[in-house]
Amino acid sequence: EDQVTQSPEALRLQEGESSSLNCSYTVSGLRGLFWYRQDPGKGPEFLFTLYSAGEEKEKERLKATLTKKESFLHITAPKPEDSATYLCAVHPFGDAGNMLTFGGGTRLMVKP
Amino acid sequence: DTGVSQNPRHKITKRGQNVTFRCDPISEHNRLYWYRQTLGQGPEFLTYFQNEAQLEKSRLLSDRFSAERPKGSFSTLEIQRTEQGDSAMYLCASSTLAGRTDTQYFGPGTRLTVL
Repeated sequence: EDQVTQSPEALRLQEGESSSLNCSYTVSGLRGLFWYRQDPGKGPEFLFTLYSAGEEKEKERLKATLTKKESFLHITAPKPEDSATYLCAVHPFGDAGNMLTFGGGTRLMVKP
Repeated sequence: DTGVSQNPRHKITKRGQNVTFRCDPISEHNRLYWYRQTLGQGPEFLTYFQNEAQLEKSRLLSDRFSAERPKGSFSTLEIQRTEQGDSAMYLCASSTLAGRTDTQYFGPGTRLTVL
């Protein structure tokens, strides 16, 4: 069974304090790994897709990386507006079809 | 506005009532998904349409839940005889295949509260 585990569940940072969020996954084969940002009361907003181990994607203060078992979302010099829940999801090969399997998310709070 | 839209945004109902939600996908997207999200958890897959055909259904989708996508455009999700455990955010996403995988874009969700 496909599994996605995110850690930590919650993370408090001071503005400018860089850190990383972890997404560990178990799938029979990975078609793609996705990162989303979700603000309270809103739907997830797409950030990145990663396909292969070693791949990296960047957007502003965010950089996502992928290994065969984990993905990291690195946040450099975060600002209060980066406060949100960050969700990781996998799209596996095989019988799972097109469904995404999500982790529980990491709730990030950045204090000024 | 070219994003996914969902209506209503909020729905409060009494236990035992039926409710229906609507999702309008991004216009050129032929794939449409429904997910359910409870507080503090990630979204859980419910069902998937390609055009008008419902191709996948989760075991979470009990016989009280039904989804349709007539003519392959908008979709509706109906919950019959609602229970308090149905209280959640119902998310719709749409996509189209581009390359190795498709990116699912989510709507704002419908928050259901069952009293």
